Amino acid sequence: DVKVTQSSRYLVKRTGEKVFLECVQDMDHENMFWYRQDPGLGLRLIYFSYDVKMKEKGDIPEGYSVSREKKERFSLILESASTNQTSMYLCASSLGLAAVGYEQYFGPGTRLTVT
Amino acid sequence: AQRVTQPEKLLSVFKGAPVELKCNYSYSGSPELFWYVQYSRQRLQLLLRHISRESIKGFTADLNKGETSFHLKKPFAQEEDSAMYYCALRGDSWGKLQFGAGTQVVVTP
Repeated sequence: DVKVTQSSRYLVKRTGEKVFLECVQDMDHENMFWYRQDPGLGLRLIYFSYDVKMKEKGDIPEGYSVSREKKERFSLILESASTNQTSMYLCASSLGLAAVGYEQYFGPGTRLTVT
Repeated sequence: AQRVTQPEKLLSVFKGAPVELKCNYSYSGSPELFWYVQYSRQRLQLLLRHISRESIKGFTADLNKGETSFHLKKPFAQEEDSAMYYCALRGDSWGKLQFGAGTQVVVTP
């Protein structure tokens, strides 16, 4: 059974703080993803990684960076948190390239509030 | 560019009534389409994928390439179907998914 865990369920930070969101998966998946989930906008991809130390920008990478030093761990970093980054953040993992009909497995989410 | 449109933000249906969630996509190639569901206080999970042609929890979805649609249907809604549903498209080999805005389904007794 695939397990994707996120370090916090709820997080409150102040404007300008550096914020780290951690995600760990236990199924040896190659791909990992960070999304933000907002009402009326659905899920939007921030960054993804298809291998250790590899990363690719998604649709909304501005204000974010990521780190993947180990295969099982993918971190999302908000360099200087702003109020418009208040959102639910979802991490996901999946099998690698060209896996047909593949499935993304999601973590429980981290609700971040920036005040 | 690829896009997924779910025109309904909210669908309210009575228990036992049919329910149809609309999903339209734009993509120049041959896409893979999925429906994901998020029940209250649970994580997002895959409901079904077009390539499997399966029925899950009574739901079915047919890919119509002519109309570029992948609508989700269930003939008799149940209260436990109340959830947020997302249509998603995979258009590249990296496995990125493009999600729609989501449709909240509320089934009332």
